[in-house]
Amino acid sequence: SQQGEEDPQALSIQEGENATMNCSYKTSINNLQWYRQNSGRGLVHLILIRSNEREKHSGRLRVTLDTSKKSSSLLITASRAADTASYFCATSTGAQKLVFGQGTRLTINP
Amino acid sequence: DAEITQSPRHKITETGRQVTLACHQTWNHNNMFWYRQDLGHGLRLIHYSYGVQDTNKGEVSDGYSVSRSNTEDLPLTLESAASSQTSVYFCASSPGTANTDTQYFGPGTRLTVL
Repeated sequence: SQQGEEDPQALSIQEGENATMNCSYKTSINNLQWYRQNSGRGLVHLILIRSNEREKHSGRLRVTLDTSKKSSSLLITASRAADTASYFCATSTGAQKLVFGQGTRLTINP
Repeated sequence: DAEITQSPRHKITETGRQVTLACHQTWNHNNMFWYRQDLGHGLRLIHYSYGVQDTNKGEVSDGYSVSRSNTEDLPLTLESAASSQTSVYFCASSPGTANTDTQYFGPGTRLTVL
């Protein structure tokens, strides 16, 4: 069964707006990671946040983690057409394996 | 540059045939993984390996097998292909060190079983 569940399943916004995606999970984690998948391609790692961290930034990406609520969010600021992709959260329990959510399909409209 | 490759990129086969999908990485990573991706299911782990001669079953391993004879390769074999195994298959690798378990993905193989 999937550890992470993402919300919304699909999101469509205008270029320049901010996009927020959420991920909820069920068990204790070592870290949580976000990946991007462009259509027809493999997944690409975006950012990792450890269980003792609450917020992390990388360029236009901001990730938060609330371990008490077992949830994370990914914020993409000032969206661009090139951000159109599917975004997946993945949880790690420290055994070198990841469990992926079902993903959020993000569409940026010009 | 180090990379992870998969072959073939597209494969059409018939029910009952044996099929092998190749995965090759040049990062010298200890860990390698096979996933399948289907609409509505995200990525599901099929098999994984933590090193040479080590293999483990994942969430959806029935009908699949892997072997790890060297660091670079983890071929995935479908023993007797079924229509339910029509999917996109992704191979991934990770260093296997304590500090990070970030995975690096191949481009995928689209398999159709008729």
